[in-house]
Amino acid sequence: DAKTTQPTSMDCAEGRAANLPCNHSTISGNEYVYWYRQIHSQGPQYIIHGLKNNETNEMASLIITEDRKSSTLILPHATLRDTAVYYCIVRVARGSTLGRLYFGRGTQLTVWP
Amino acid sequence: EPEVTQTPSHQVTQMGQEVILRCVPISNHLYFYWYRQILGQKVEFLVSFYNNEISEKSEIFDDQFSVERPDGSNFTLKIRSTKLEDSAMYFCASLPGRAADTQYFGPGTRLTVL
Repeated sequence: DAKTTQPTSMDCAEGRAANLPCNHSTISGNEYVYWYRQIHSQGPQYIIHGLKNNETNEMASLIITEDRKSSTLILPHATLRDTAVYYCIVRVARGSTLGRLYFGRGTQLTVWP
Repeated sequence: EPEVTQTPSHQVTQMGQEVILRCVPISNHLYFYWYRQILGQKVEFLVSFYNNEISEKSEIFDDQFSVERPDGSNFTLKIRSTKLEDSAMYFCASLPGRAADTQYFGPGTRLTVL
């Protein structure tokens, strides 16, 4: 039940910004955009989420277009440890805390030295 | 920083045997989940659990599966009679549930059915 589209793979030089795109053209007004990543079969790790405003935390920035049909996750200074599969997920946040997460194939980001 | 823990990290079993995978969610979290990931495939939702009962389950979570919170800390997934196709990574997750949106995942248990 994936509602997002992401490129299969991307690469990035260490120290440079990694910009990971995601299309979610059917997103509803009450759905948030979440980003998780999974490093080599470890448990998925939460990165960031947002509704319509751009968000920033210590890990990344999230840029959501005005029409909310797409977003970009930005890792400002990628390191080798950022090599992982990145998942863009849309789901309702408030009033639906029981909701499952639907994981697609994600984007394999490879950071090279 | 609190984290979700899972044991064992790797479980090998014979087809037809019962297995119990254990999880210790983050203290004071109220919602609990199991997901699985077959090698090379997507992470798939199995079940969610709240207030000592199943809230939602996927089509994967058939009668061979059960979940339990036997005490105040553990959250278990039991597979009654394992099949070869149950071989996968199993991830537990928990959620605070108070105006919080983030599921925290454990490191996973690799189940190998021979």
